[in-house]
Amino acid sequence: QKEVEQDPGPLSVPEGAIVSLNCTYSNSAFQYFMWYRQYSRKGPELLMYTYSSGNKEDGRFTAQVDKSSKYISLFIRDSQPSDSATYLCAMRGNAGNNRKLIWGLGTSLAVNP
Amino acid sequence: SAVISQKPSRDICQRGTSLTIQCQVDSQVTMMFWYRQQPGQSLTLIATANQGSEATYESGFVIDKFPISRPNLTFSTLTVSNMSPEDSSIYLCSVYTAGSSYNEQFFGPGTRLTVL
Repeated sequence: QKEVEQDPGPLSVPEGAIVSLNCTYSNSAFQYFMWYRQYSRKGPELLMYTYSSGNKEDGRFTAQVDKSSKYISLFIRDSQPSDSATYLCAMRGNAGNNRKLIWGLGTSLAVNP
Repeated sequence: SAVISQKPSRDICQRGTSLTIQCQVDSQVTMMFWYRQQPGQSLTLIATANQGSEATYESGFVIDKFPISRPNLTFSTLTVSNMSPEDSSIYLCSVYTAGSSYNEQFFGPGTRLTVL
């Protein structure tokens, strides 16, 4: 079993839709949970990160972490064609080797005008 | 933040040859990383490039196959040696900057390598 599981999609939605992207994980030592966005032919860039359980909102983006279920989500409201990209979850623990980022496969998202 | 450039952006190489990928950062950074991104696989860390000492390799990656240089705090190279078609991938370098958390890595645009 992989440490981080993420459905690669592709996911195709109409403009204005609410998008839900998810990852599950198995390592209970993970404390920091990140969402990166990667446009075609570019490197990943950090969207937002959350420490431990809870929600974090940044504009149209909301990240949720449920440590009891080992499940994280990224919601995109009022999706735009410019949101079309691959979204990668990443996570890590606090110390030592657990500080290394562990990545999901990435979910390919297409927002159609 | 950091601006990172990589050369070449893409290349097509023959089996058995080697390719050196360059990574240049616009500021001095302590930690630089090399990743591989293959279709259908998650981003995989190859090694951490340390200035003034040997790189630290992850399990499954060895120095003979992926030699790394880090001559200063703004530059690193990754060589893919004795290439086979299985080495076809996107290779990315990334950095942490002073003041950024260990959650935020800045990535270069990647080098797209195809081995025939």
